Amino acid sequence: KNEVEQSPQNLTAQEGEFITINCSYSVGISALHWLQQHPGGGIVSLFMLSSGKKKHGRLIATINIQEKHSSLHITASHPRDSAVYICAVRGLNSGYALNFGKGTSLLVTP
Amino acid sequence: NAGVTQTPKFRILKIGQSMTLQCTQDMNHNYMYWYRQDPGMGLKLIYYSVGAGITDKGEVPNGYNVSRSTTEDFPLRLELAAPSQTSVYFCASSYSRDRPTLAKNIQYFGAGTRLSVL
Repeated sequence: KNEVEQSPQNLTAQEGEFITINCSYSVGISALHWLQQHPGGGIVSLFMLSSGKKKHGRLIATINIQEKHSSLHITASHPRDSAVYICAVRGLNSGYALNFGKGTSLLVTP
Repeated sequence: NAGVTQTPKFRILKIGQSMTLQCTQDMNHNYMYWYRQDPGMGLKLIYYSVGAGITDKGEVPNGYNVSRSTTEDFPLRLELAAPSQTSVYFCASSYSRDRPTLAKNIQYFGAGTRLSVL
């Protein structure tokens, strides 16, 4: 089973700060997902990546396959970014099922 | 564009009662999943399906059953509810052969069902 570890567990930032959330996994993967869980509970996919870097608006996701590590960055953070950010990986032989981290709870204060 | 729809949103059950959590998607996705999310824990896969008529166990299947008679619907059945099944349940879907390769693996989630067993 692929162990997925996220850090930090909780994060408080002031509006405008640059935020980094980290994700490490234990065995080879075919894809890594970053998801956002809103305070109301809904979950949306932010990124799916298997190499390099992706950018969408103020969000940037990077992955280093050799180091088994990914980061999610938020530039110019805003209170509406407050949510739980979840890292999930798809193993090489696990079909399309995902293995999830416990999430990082982010609070951005004005 | 409804996406993935789960019903009910909330439910309280007594120990030993049965219920079915409904999940339907309108994106013509082949793959569907049921997850449970417990406080402070990552989502755990209960069951998944790769197409109508095909289901398989995930990491935590005990106490649950599923069926997939159509592409759109993937209900989750709890036969004898136990307090350990108190959780938030999420249904998700992915993989449409009509979509470009990169989009195939993105999972779309329902809004969740919050279940308490007392």
